[in-house]
Amino acid sequence: QVQLVESGGGVVQPGGSLRLSCAASGFDFSFYGMHWVRQAPGRGLEWVAFIRYDGTNEYYADSVKGRHTMSRDNLKKILYVEMNSLRAEDTGIYYCAKDLLRGGAYPSYLDFWGQGTLVTVSS
Amino acid sequence: EIVMTQSPAALSVSPGERATLSCRASQSVGRNLVWYQQKPGQAPRLLVYGASTRATGTPPRFSGTGSGTEFTLTISSLQSEDCAVYFCQQYNDWITFGGGTKVEIK
Repeated sequence: QVQLVESGGGVVQPGGSLRLSCAASGFDFSFYGMHWVRQAPGRGLEWVAFIRYDGTNEYYADSVKGRHTMSRDNLKKILYVEMNSLRAEDTGIYYCAKDLLRGGAYPSYLDFWGQGTLVTVSS
Repeated sequence: EIVMTQSPAALSVSPGERATLSCRASQSVGRNLVWYQQKPGQAPRLLVYGASTRATGTPPRFSGTGSGTEFTLTISSLQSEDCAVYFCQQYNDWITFGGGTKVEIK
């Protein structure tokens, strides 16, 4: 069965950096685009970024563009997001999620989600 | 950016009664709309895709309708395990989520 396990969350000061990881299993990781989605405490969902199945393109929400960088290692089946210049508004649970479409070049919808990792940006 | 607006923000329904959740898009998204269910402390779970197709494991009491800018998720006979927050999401133009509707048992 599909499993996505995030790690790397924690408390970081404003302006700091953090790298999140997501270990995938139970599906052909290298054939599917992947997403990061975040959820501020008690709030709704915000799409953060998407990376193509082959890692050749990434797409970002305006709120993180230029600060966050998504990447993937298809051999290790791990997804990453490097988050820099962190702000208080980046606080929340970060979920990695699998895109539905096999070989999709653009984001569609998310058919499996991990349990998330909490990022807290605070001084 | 396509803005997704869900209503109501919260809904209290008696067991066995019908719950109707709405999702409106600021411009047409065709049928490129999905619904997720999120229970407390859990990740969202895909419920309906393509506006009306139930995902694997979604009980038949859940039904999605609509196209263009107006969508509805109906729970025909509310069960206690349906207490959750429901989000809609469009994927016609990148990805945006609605703010969610919290469904509670009356």
